Amino acid sequence: GQNIDQPTEMTATEGAIVQINCTYQTSGFNGLFWYQQHAGEAPTFLSYNVLDGLEEKGRFSSFLSRSKGYSYLLLKELQMKDSASYLCAVMDSNYQLIWGAGTKLIIKP
Amino acid sequence: ETGVTQTPRHLVMGMTNKKSLKCEQHLGHNAMYWYKQSAKKPLELMFVYSLEERVENNSVPSRFSPECPNSSHLFLHLHTLQPEDSALYLCASSPTGGSGANVLTFGAGSRLTVL
Repeated sequence: GQNIDQPTEMTATEGAIVQINCTYQTSGFNGLFWYQQHAGEAPTFLSYNVLDGLEEKGRFSSFLSRSKGYSYLLLKELQMKDSASYLCAVMDSNYQLIWGAGTKLIIKP
Repeated sequence: ETGVTQTPRHLVMGMTNKKSLKCEQHLGHNAMYWYKQSAKKPLELMFVYSLEERVENNSVPSRFSPECPNSSHLFLHLHTLQPEDSALYLCASSPTGGSGANVLTFGAGSRLTVL
């Protein structure tokens, strides 16, 4: 079966750096997405990786290793507003999105 | 403003009621989706419409009935629901259905409680 694993919950301190991991086992691969979802709000797109390596976008970076079935989302200079759930999703060979259960990130002052 | 608007935001209904969820997008997208989001579970794809034609129905019970009258509007008709159907129902749209970098734009969701 197809599976996406990510930690259920993480806690970090304001101003620090946090890395949220995502491992996947899917039938084929056509890209990996990260979305951010604040409580009671819509998920919003953060990043898309289809080739190995690091994609940097401001304070957020996303890394992909296709050979290891692994990605991470790196958040730098954490702010209180970064408290949210982070959803990892992989597009399989049929262009179906397979979703992880999300990682709830709690930022403490 | 996300560009995808869902109404109502909250809905409480009995098991014998009939209600509908509405979704509207003003992004010019050609594909629209219904997802179910339950606590600590992955998003579950329910229905996909591409150019107003239903292209996927992931074995969803018939008590959920989608309708897509045009490319901007999507409905989810609810009838004889069960308490386990209580969840957040998310609507999303994308420029196309499928393909690689097909970024979804989500609405804020309709929180459904079935008593």
